[in-house]
Amino acid sequence: GAGVSQSPSNKVTEKGKDVELRCDPISGHTALYWYRQRLGQGLEFLIYFQGNSAPDKSGLPSDRFSAERTGESVSTLTIQRTQQEDSAVYLCASSLGSSGSQETQYFGPGTRLLVL
Amino acid sequence: AQSVSQHNHHVILSEAASLELGCNYSYGGTVNLFWYVQYPGQHLQLLLKYFSGDPLVKGIKGFEAEFIKSKFSFNLRKPSVQWSDTAEYFCAVNNAGNNRKLIWGLGTSLAVNP
Repeated sequence: GAGVSQSPSNKVTEKGKDVELRCDPISGHTALYWYRQRLGQGLEFLIYFQGNSAPDKSGLPSDRFSAERTGESVSTLTIQRTQQEDSAVYLCASSLGSSGSQETQYFGPGTRLLVL
Repeated sequence: AQSVSQHNHHVILSEAASLELGCNYSYGGTVNLFWYVQYPGQHLQLLLKYFSGDPLVKGIKGFEAEFIKSKFSFNLRKPSVQWSDTAEYFCAVNNAGNNRKLIWGLGTSLAVNP
């Protein structure tokens, strides 16, 4: 079956612009996660959704970052007034959502964001 | 705060050599432990995971890892590597229970020479 998909695969934007990143999870997966990986760094957790609600958004770095999920499916991560330090690969993952923290998270290919 | 440390950032081996990649974590409670791999041009995928039971876990492609609670370690091993094992390897941990947030190490880049 189809895996996690993300769009766009690459995004170049100017500092101060808003960007939207999209994630389509595996069908039937109720849990969805956003991470980012800056150059030379490990993955940083941003937020996770169970269904359409976000029980843990502790990793969002500032109020410029927001995310939503609708229909227990697609999620959008929005970064407002982008800064150069937002340049990173943004990764989305999904999991079944029924087995808690032991679940395997399945990752998409990521969106590479470059802020000039 | 939880953290994960991977000691080897870049490893170069010849085919048939044995591999051990170190992973240590800091957290005093019960944890779940994961190794993920990213092959060139591919997505991150799970190699293996541990959450309870036998501390020696086996994963795909002949990999295994041993959880040593007293050392807060979860080292990844493979007795004989192949050129196709060339990849980036990531160790990750989360709290057992319902906290799904994964904390990640910086990754180890493995290059296997044919």
